[in-house]
Amino acid sequence: EVQLVESGGGLVQPGRSLKLSCAASGFTFSNYGMHWIRQAPTKGLEWVASISPSGGSTYYRDSVKGRFTISRDNAKSTLYLQMDSLRSEDTATYYCATPTDPFDYWGQGVMVTVSS
Amino acid sequence: DIMLTQSPATLSVTPGESISLSCRASQSISTNLHWYQQKPNESPRVLIKYASQTISGIPSRFSGSGSGTDFTLNINRVEPEDFSVYYCQQSNSWPLTFGSGTKLEIK
Repeated sequence: EVQLVESGGGLVQPGRSLKLSCAASGFTFSNYGMHWIRQAPTKGLEWVASISPSGGSTYYRDSVKGRFTISRDNAKSTLYLQMDSLRSEDTATYYCATPTDPFDYWGQGVMVTVSS
Repeated sequence: DIMLTQSPATLSVTPGESISLSCRASQSISTNLHWYQQKPNESPRVLIKYASQTISGIPSRFSGSGSGTDFTLNINRVEPEDFSVYYCQQSNSWPLTFGSGTKLEIK
């Protein structure tokens, strides 16, 4: 059974950093692209970032480029999202998902609140 | 960026009715369009992939159609558990984008 479990969320002040993790199990992690998708409170879904199976290719939405870094550790079957210079508009539930086309599996989500 | 416009924003129906939800892309995306359902306080789940391909475990009352810029999700005889929000998502080009969603509510 595929499982994706996010962690690392919480309350953080604007301008500070936070690192999210997504522990994967039930499939060969190193074979699949991985993604972060977020949802602001009462809002719709918004793709954030993606990474190729090897980690050699990464993609970001414009609003997080230069502030967020997606990475993966295939030996640990874990996906990461390093979030720097956080803004209030980054407040959302963050989901990890896989594979690509479409997102068949989603984690339960982790809440990130950016507020002073 | 490819914009996906979903309509209507909200649809009020009676269980047993058959409905169609629309998703229109700002440029052609072939059939690289997927539909998701999200119930309150749950993660989304995929219903239809590549515009019309079925997903294992998804009830047969859900079907999809379309190509290019116009896509439709059909629900044949809505069941009580179908009242939720539906999103379309394109994977034709980066950045990946979602529609703003259609909320299906009980009339």
